[in-house]
Amino acid sequence: EIVLTQSPATLSLSPGERATLSCRASQTVYSYLAWYQQKPGQAPRLLIYDAVNRATGIPARFSGSGSGTDFTLTISSLEPEDFAVYYCQHRGNWLGTFGPGTKVDIK
Amino acid sequence: QVQLVQSGAEVKKPGASVKLSCKPSGYTFTAYYVHWVRQAPGQGLEWVGAINPSTGGTTQAPKFQGRVTVTRDTSTSTVYMELSSLRYDDTAVYYCARDKDTVTAFYFDHWGQGSLVTVSS
Repeated sequence: EIVLTQSPATLSLSPGERATLSCRASQTVYSYLAWYQQKPGQAPRLLIYDAVNRATGIPARFSGSGSGTDFTLTISSLEPEDFAVYYCQHRGNWLGTFGPGTKVDIK
Repeated sequence: QVQLVQSGAEVKKPGASVKLSCKPSGYTFTAYYVHWVRQAPGQGLEWVGAINPSTGGTTQAPKFQGRVTVTRDTSTSTVYMELSSLRYDDTAVYYCARDKDTVTAFYFDHWGQGSLVTVSS
């Protein structure tokens, strides 16, 4: 069973700063990785799929990179609405697996 | 527009079962898998299982096998998830979500509003 770990657990930044979030898989997941954003009291929102592809309507400040076991979600310049929890998720073997999440909060 | 509307909150006793519903609209019901994802209070997301509404075929996370049943009713375009032998740690918000692609990506691009299940004696 593939395990996803995310780091850091919490990232404290100011609006306008660059955010770099990491997701590591216990074995290769090729490029089968997605990123989601979740705000309090809301359902998650798909940001990135297949490691690098932005979902429909997602702003260009969100970008994904990586393959194999190491992946990164980058937010180039944080907007006030970007402070939230971010989860990575792997698809494989007809299962879905989420990482534990990274909280991006206001410094 | 695509919407998934879920049933309301439930309070159940340990050992009981709960059956939640999810009614998608705005697309062809049989064309996309529907998944269930849960989130315990203050915790992360956990994928539970999924159904192919066209065939009725299902898949579940190993930890839920034997306790979760996902079904669909094509006449009403509704998906159901039943969780049995409820435990206190099943207390969570349960989301249904649509698969991103018709070829089944196992990524989730549209979500329901969530159904809170509380297990309490």
